[in-house]
Amino acid sequence: EAQVTQNPRYLITVTGKKLTVTCSQNMNHEYMSWYRQDPGLGLRQIYYSMNVEVTDKGDVPEGYKVSRKEKRNFPLILESPSPNQTSLYFCASSLRQGITFFGQGTRLTVV
Amino acid sequence: GEDVEQSLFLSVREGDSSVINCTYTDSSSTYLYWYKQEPGAGLQLLTYIFSNMDMKQDQRLTVLLNKKDKHLSLRIADTQTGDSAIYFCAESISNFGNEKLTFGTGTRLTIIP
Repeated sequence: EAQVTQNPRYLITVTGKKLTVTCSQNMNHEYMSWYRQDPGLGLRQIYYSMNVEVTDKGDVPEGYKVSRKEKRNFPLILESPSPNQTSLYFCASSLRQGITFFGQGTRLTVV
Repeated sequence: GEDVEQSLFLSVREGDSSVINCTYTDSSSTYLYWYKQEPGAGLQLLTYIFSNMDMKQDQRLTVLLNKKDKHLSLRIADTQTGDSAIYFCAESISNFGNEKLTFGTGTRLTIIP
């Protein structure tokens, strides 16, 4: 089944403790990206990747890192999480100018 | 510029049709999407329409696209209680390789028994 898989689905962590949210897709898509969803602000793009080893900032990249060492994986790294990064995170993938598919979401709480 | 607007709330009686409207501003969008989000859940791709189409029908769902007015609508026929959710309109614009989606704020659909 074609899908985008994120892990974990839920995470509660403390301020400053490094964490990684994984994202994997099995559709051989070149393009992957991360969004965060916040009440009243909708979904905003954090980072995106056009292909392996090609990444760039989206609209709200501060406090996040990404890597794209393999085509199927696009992890989101929070080196020093802060409470304002409490949010619902979505990974997405698509072919170039293709349909975008989203993962199930990761609900992150930073205390 | 990119801006997608939707009304925040819609209430419909069970069995009636629901029509959710969306306006967008960027005429270079490639795809326009409707996503459904149930409470505590992720984004479910409901349907999409390519920007050179006017209409797409998929079972109970009908999408209408008016490119001249930059207006997109989603009609759900025979609305059921399971259709209660937030519906997001989104446009995708391919910009130097960034296949970014711009989302509306979502329309919360409530079904009245």
